[in-house]
Amino acid sequence: NAGVTQTPKFQVLKTGQSMTLQCAQDMNHNSMYWYRQDPGMGLRLIYYSASEGTTDKGEVPNGYNVSRLNKREFSLRLESAAPSQTSVYFCASSEALHSPVLYTEAFFGQGTRLTVV
Amino acid sequence: TQLLEQSPQFLSIQEGENLTVYCNSSSVFSSLQWYRQEPGEGPVLLVTVVTGGEVKKLKRLTFQFGDARKDSSLHITAAQPGDTGLYLCAGVGGGTSYGKLTFGQGTILTVHP
Repeated sequence: NAGVTQTPKFQVLKTGQSMTLQCAQDMNHNSMYWYRQDPGMGLRLIYYSASEGTTDKGEVPNGYNVSRLNKREFSLRLESAAPSQTSVYFCASSEALHSPVLYTEAFFGQGTRLTVV
Repeated sequence: TQLLEQSPQFLSIQEGENLTVYCNSSSVFSSLQWYRQEPGEGPVLLVTVVTGGEVKKLKRLTFQFGDARKDSSLHITAAQPGDTGLYLCAGVGGGTSYGKLTFGQGTILTVHP
């Protein structure tokens, strides 16, 4: 199984350019996530989609938009890239189940290393 | 906003030593998870704890969930160089935060031979 596939793996953008990071999962998971990881900051949630048709803001949504295209795909768009968005971006998916038991292992892609100059 | 604070941020120890990493929050989570991340890879799940007071063991790793379900700890006995990596705790949201997975800032562990 491919699991979670992110494209591209590396990208260099000029300030002001736009781009879309693609993410697809083949595990039939309901929930999908976009995180950014900076040195010493752990993983910070940008946006998440608890289920197909819904999206919600995370901790650091400014400067980003997302689209849950279907159950498999969740894309992240930078409309006007800024140097502060230089980071490693991770997409993840999980089978978030309702109570009483929430066992929801998140599976991560390999990451996209984005540099904005 | 549900936040998770991990401590310490960095840990450098010798092979054979024991260590504990802490994960604390002011919020209650439905469950709490611990992940390990290697350089250039995404995090991989180690364990999920669900019940307040729960203790889980994974070989030399012991995970504990606080009684109030706001804090957790990871204890490694007799650390080995292969334990080196970034350890992350993550809180699983419920209710209005259903499906939300929030991470702490991580603990970078280095075990020297």
